[in-house]
Amino acid sequence: AQSVTQLDSQVPVFEEAPVELRCNYSSSVSVYLFWYVQYPNQGLQLLLKYLSGSTLVKGINGFEAEFNKSQTSFHLRKPSVHISDTAEYFCAVRRNNNDMRFGAGTRLTVKP
Amino acid sequence: EAQVTQNPRYLITVTGKKLTVTCSQNMNHEYMSWYRQDPGLGLRQIYYSMNVEVTDKGDVPEGYKVSRKEKRNFPLILESPSPNQTSLYFCASSLSSGANYGYTFGSGTRLTVV
Repeated sequence: AQSVTQLDSQVPVFEEAPVELRCNYSSSVSVYLFWYVQYPNQGLQLLLKYLSGSTLVKGINGFEAEFNKSQTSFHLRKPSVHISDTAEYFCAVRRNNNDMRFGAGTRLTVKP
Repeated sequence: EAQVTQNPRYLITVTGKKLTVTCSQNMNHEYMSWYRQDPGLGLRQIYYSMNVEVTDKGDVPEGYKVSRKEKRNFPLILESPSPNQTSLYFCASSLSSGANYGYTFGSGTRLTVV
């Protein structure tokens, strides 16, 4: 079975600072990796996904993530955050069955 | 517009009164799933469906039922709701059950059982 651990439940950061949201996964087989964002009172939206190929994946809104197979990590980064990036972020893994497993979420708060 | 539509957005009900949360998608997706979201626990899968008339339990199926009579609809049924089912519910769909497909989510249904 696979599981997903998001290492920080809350990340406060000032506007225009860089941010990294950490995600580790465990799986005995190859998986596909996703990051979703949830703005207040909304459903989840896909930010980016890693399927294969280059380990650095670029997504929407200036976010990117790096797949590290040896460390089983898929950390999300943005070089300069905006107030509008305040949201909850979920890391998820999916293997070749039906299961999309989500982490517990990281609440990113961007302060002025 | 491609979307997953859930209704209602908010629902307050009493213990034991049967309710149904509807979910409909207009993208001809094969795979649909229900999740509940609780603070500190992330999203946990309740039930999923790989296609019409094919459903299976997720991680937390107790107290819930689903049906998939048509490809576009995947209602979630609580036959006898209890307070521990107070939660935020999301319906999601994807083109297929293949692992390389991400999900499209509905806007959520916030259910309170008193």
